[in-house]
Amino acid sequence: NAGVTQTPKFQVLKTGQSMTLQCAQDMNHNSMYWYRQDPGMGLRLIYYSASEGTTDKGEVPNGYNVSRLNKREFSLRLESAAPSQTSVYFCASWPELAGADTQYFGPGTRLTVL
Amino acid sequence: QKEVEQNSGPLSVPEGAIASLNCTYSDRVSQSFFWYRQYSGKSPELIMSIYSNGDKEDGRFTAQLNKASQYVSLLIRDSQPSDSATYLCAAYRVDSNYQLIWGAGTKLIIKP
Repeated sequence: NAGVTQTPKFQVLKTGQSMTLQCAQDMNHNSMYWYRQDPGMGLRLIYYSASEGTTDKGEVPNGYNVSRLNKREFSLRLESAAPSQTSVYFCASWPELAGADTQYFGPGTRLTVL
Repeated sequence: QKEVEQNSGPLSVPEGAIASLNCTYSDRVSQSFFWYRQYSGKSPELIMSIYSNGDKEDGRFTAQLNKASQYVSLLIRDSQPSDSATYLCAAYRVDSNYQLIWGAGTKLIIKP
């Protein structure tokens, strides 16, 4: 199993450009998440999807849109990138089983907006 | 008060000593707590979870939860240079089983 995969690993955008970050998991998990991590601020939830076909806003949703394409895939779109969106983006999934403690994280996407 | 708060460090500990990492929390998070380790440039990985008051031990790691004082700690015994990382404390938002709230993390440096 590959676990949680993210593409791309690195990306540089100019202000106003758009892009989509891709995330896929092969563990048959229901819940998937998008976080951003900035220096000194820990992880902040952007959006999450509790199941296929549903999405909900997290703590910092402004400037982002998401799509839960199917059970495996959860994408994050920046329609008009801003320098404030320079960050490391992590996708995660959670099995929602009794005793399943952890969220499983992808390797991250390092995004720079100039 | 932030929902989950940690001292950012860095915390410097000699090799072989006990490293003590602390996290305080507000009433807006649930009573389920998680400690993650994050190496530089990598994604977080779960070290320990704790749900009940008291101590929980797993190898060199001990998590402690004190609900009355609203803090949770992680002790690392016989610290090794490979323990050098940022340690993140997390808890679920009290009104959502899906949303983890994260502390900013404490950077731990183990000196050989």
